[in-house]
Amino acid sequence: AQTVTQSQPEMSVQEAETVTLSCTYDTSESDYYLFWYKQPPSRQMILVIRQEAYKQQNATENRFSVNFQKAAKSFSLKISDSQLGDAAMYFCAYRSADTGNQFYFGTGTSLTVIP
Amino acid sequence: EPEVTQTPSHQVTQMGQEVILRCVPISNHLYFYWYRQILGQKVEFLVSFYNNEISEKSEIFDDQFSVERPDGSNFTLKIRSTKLEDSAMYFCASKRQQSSYEQYFGPGTRLTVT
Repeated sequence: AQTVTQSQPEMSVQEAETVTLSCTYDTSESDYYLFWYKQPPSRQMILVIRQEAYKQQNATENRFSVNFQKAAKSFSLKISDSQLGDAAMYFCAYRSADTGNQFYFGTGTSLTVIP
Repeated sequence: EPEVTQTPSHQVTQMGQEVILRCVPISNHLYFYWYRQILGQKVEFLVSFYNNEISEKSEIFDDQFSVERPDGSNFTLKIRSTKLEDSAMYFCASKRQQSSYEQYFGPGTRLTVT
């Protein structure tokens, strides 16, 4: 089974600064999708960004970007110009392109933004 | 923007009791999921549901668990005889179609078994 590892249970960043959240995964598949979900306190998880494994170009969504290293099985999330509203739990997730049903999640990284 | 909703937000029950967790997926979505997260652990897949039947389930989803779409809007997870280790946050998710990338998650129900 696929595994997703987030080695940073907690991170903090000063407002307006940049922070990088780490994620590694283990799979024998060649085609898959990777996601970062954000879960604010007492709110649902919302999709921040996704990456298709067949794409070499790193995905970017406004202040959020990823560093996807397929060979290293690494998928880090960079948040630029951090804002107070970025404070949340961030989950890295994997989904097979073939079976496609279930997501495999990491344990999450709790991000604190310091004013 | 449409959201997945879940009720209740917190459920406390005694060991051995039956609980039903409710979810209302986004209205035009066809694929439904339940996940759980034991405190401090990973979010784990339980089951997926499509066309009124289970399409995939994990090892966690044993005979104590069942899912149902009793009407056109609700999607429920039933635990027949709860155990202490069932205490967790349970997330419902849905997506529009098989090829959709994203699953949309609800806010979760915190289940506490005493």
